[in-house]
Amino acid sequence: EDKVVQSPLSLVVHEGDTVTLNCSYEVTNFRSLLWYKQEKKAPTFLFMLTSSGIEKKSGRLSSILDKKELFSILNITATQTGDSAIYLCAVKNNAGNMLTFGGGTRLMVKP
Amino acid sequence: DTGVSQDPRHKITKRGQNVTFRCDPISEHNRLYWYRQTLGQGPEFLTYFQNEAQLEKSRLLSDRFSAERPKGSFSTLEIQRTEQGDSAMYLCASSLALQLQETQYFGPGTRLLVL
Repeated sequence: EDKVVQSPLSLVVHEGDTVTLNCSYEVTNFRSLLWYKQEKKAPTFLFMLTSSGIEKKSGRLSSILDKKELFSILNITATQTGDSAIYLCAVKNNAGNMLTFGGGTRLMVKP
Repeated sequence: DTGVSQDPRHKITKRGQNVTFRCDPISEHNRLYWYRQTLGQGPEFLTYFQNEAQLEKSRLLSDRFSAERPKGSFSTLEIQRTEQGDSAMYLCASSLALQLQETQYFGPGTRLLVL
C-alpha cells in the first residue's frame, strides 16, 4: 500500500520568512508526485513532479523531487499571509489513477 | 466558471437517512474521481470513472456507498443508511487522460454532517 508522510504537521512563520515543507513517500511503481494548496475548500494544483532533480518553480513557490531518497520538498520564499493554507502532497503509481495523499502541513503566516 | 462544481455544498442529515451528492466535472474531462476528507487528514480515494465506466473502487467504499456516471458527464455519489462516521468532506475531481501529465482538478466539496 502506498504511503505519504508530510512534515511538519504545522508551521507558524512571519511574513517574509522562507519555509520548506517535506514529503516522503513509499510507492510501488512510482509515476508522479503532486503538490496541492488547500484553503477553505478545494485543493488547488501547484506542481507535478516526475523526474529527480528538476526544480519546478512558480513565483515564490518551488519544488523538487528526489526519487532515490523518496522525498520532495516545497519551498515558499518571502511568505505572505495569503500563503496560509494546508499544503498537501500526493503520489500516483503506475497501477492506477488514484492519488494517495499525505496528511498535509498546515502553514500559518502571521503579519 | 468552468471548474469542477459540486452540489450541495453542505448537507446535514440524521443517522439512517440516505443522501446523494452531485459532481459536474470540467466539460472536456473524461475521468472523474471521488475522495473523502476528514478533519486533519488528507483526501482518501473512494472511486473513479473513465467516461461512464467505474474502473476502481477503494476498500473504503462500503456497500452503503454507490456512485454512478450514467452518461459520462456528471456523477452522483449516494450514501445509504448514513452513519456518524460518514461525516466528512466529499471531494470530486476530474482530469483529462493524457499519458504523463494528467492532473486532477478538485471541486469545492460537499461537507456532510450526520447527526
